[in-house]
Amino acid sequence: GAVVSQHPSWVICKSGTSVKIECRSLDFQATTMFWYRQFPKQSLMLMATSNEGSKATYEQGVEKDKFLINHASLTLSTLTVTSAHPEDSSFYICSAPLGGRGNQPQHFGDGTRLSIL
Amino acid sequence: AQTVTQSQPEMSVQEAETVTLSCTYDTSESDYYLFWYKQPPSRQMILVIRQEAYKQQNATENRFSVNFQKAAKSFSLKISDSQLGDAAMYFCAYRRPNTGNQFYFGTGTSLTVIP
Repeated sequence: GAVVSQHPSWVICKSGTSVKIECRSLDFQATTMFWYRQFPKQSLMLMATSNEGSKATYEQGVEKDKFLINHASLTLSTLTVTSAHPEDSSFYICSAPLGGRGNQPQHFGDGTRLSIL
Repeated sequence: AQTVTQSQPEMSVQEAETVTLSCTYDTSESDYYLFWYKQPPSRQMILVIRQEAYKQQNATENRFSVNFQKAAKSFSLKISDSQLGDAAMYFCAYRRPNTGNQFYFGTGTSLTVIP
């Protein structure tokens, strides 16, 4: 079964609104979670590292004011796309490592398809 | 960011045959981890196989095996006895050790399995 739950799976909204995406680790604690963005037929681009109890670490070129990340508990990280515009339309995926050992894979949520009209 | 390169945007293989997907990466670190993930049309990311850089022995998982060449920074995936369900996008991934443990993905290879 899924070890990482992501919600919602699909959202359509008007330009200018803010959209929140949740990523939950199931049955394990995740002090770190990751947020990726994927355009059609392209790779996953790491956007930011979500750290429980501290500020997120953003990759170069990612607007931290546009993509707000909150990791309020050991099982929940949220990504809020603020004042969304059509160019923010994409597939967003979160992940969490199961355990701290380096050879542990990332467990991914099922992704959120975001469409901004 | 680390650089992970997959030079084959698309590959095809006949059902029951063998195919090899290539991956190279750039790093100055000596200890790291490599993974292959599969993404079917459902877009769910599925782990296929993993390799620790300190291990010389190539990882194998049933029909999937890797050819890990550390000096060449190469990490190819071999799929034997290809099945229709193997059709998907395949991503090679590099995991930074310790510092943040971020994953960096290659550009992907779209695999078609021909019945």
